[in-house]
Amino acid sequence: TQLLEQSPQFLSIQEGENLTVYCNSSSVFSSLQWYRQEPGEGPVLLVTVVTGGEVKKLKRLTFQFGDARKDSSLHITAAQPGDTGLYLCAAYPVSWEIIFGKGTRLHILP
Amino acid sequence: DTGVSQDPRHKITKRGQNVTFRCDPISEHNRLYWYRQTLGQGPEFLTYFQNEAQLEKSRLLSDRFSAERPKGSFSTLEIQRTEQGDSAMYLCASSPHDRPEYYGYTFGSGTRLTVV
Repeated sequence: TQLLEQSPQFLSIQEGENLTVYCNSSSVFSSLQWYRQEPGEGPVLLVTVVTGGEVKKLKRLTFQFGDARKDSSLHITAAQPGDTGLYLCAAYPVSWEIIFGKGTRLHILP
Repeated sequence: DTGVSQDPRHKITKRGQNVTFRCDPISEHNRLYWYRQTLGQGPEFLTYFQNEAQLEKSRLLSDRFSAERPKGSFSTLEIQRTEQGDSAMYLCASSPHDRPEYYGYTFGSGTRLTVV
């Protein structure tokens, strides 16, 4: 069974602080994606990382794919209340099926 | 392009009743997926269509579940004889590419089912 383990499960921090969340697996994937999901809505794709060691930046969000393509991290600089949400990492064991981690529920306090 | 639309947004039903959900994908997307998400979990794959053909089904999809995409456009997911364990968010997604692992899916807002 291919699993994506995310940590921490919950994170509540003050506005302006930095944070990192993690996604780990024992399997190698051709790519890994991060989605953000707000309450009552579907997940929205943030980024896809493909190459081992790849780093992608999306404004204050920095995504990294591990060298062995088994893990990934998401770093948020100077968190804002608008960053609040459920962050899901996702991978494709086959092209037509995503597997998701359980997610990190992030709450930014103003 | 109005994104992926799902209807209804919320459904409350009594145990044993049948329910049907509808999904309208982005018009030029030929791939359509159904996922189910329970509280505290990430979404789990249910089934996948390419155009009107249902190509894959999860073992999670019991005999009480059936999905159709009759003309390769909208899709319906029906649950017969609902059980309390069916309570979940049912998400539909679509993609235009045969390499979603690079381009991702577009998800709808989901249908929240509560079985009482």
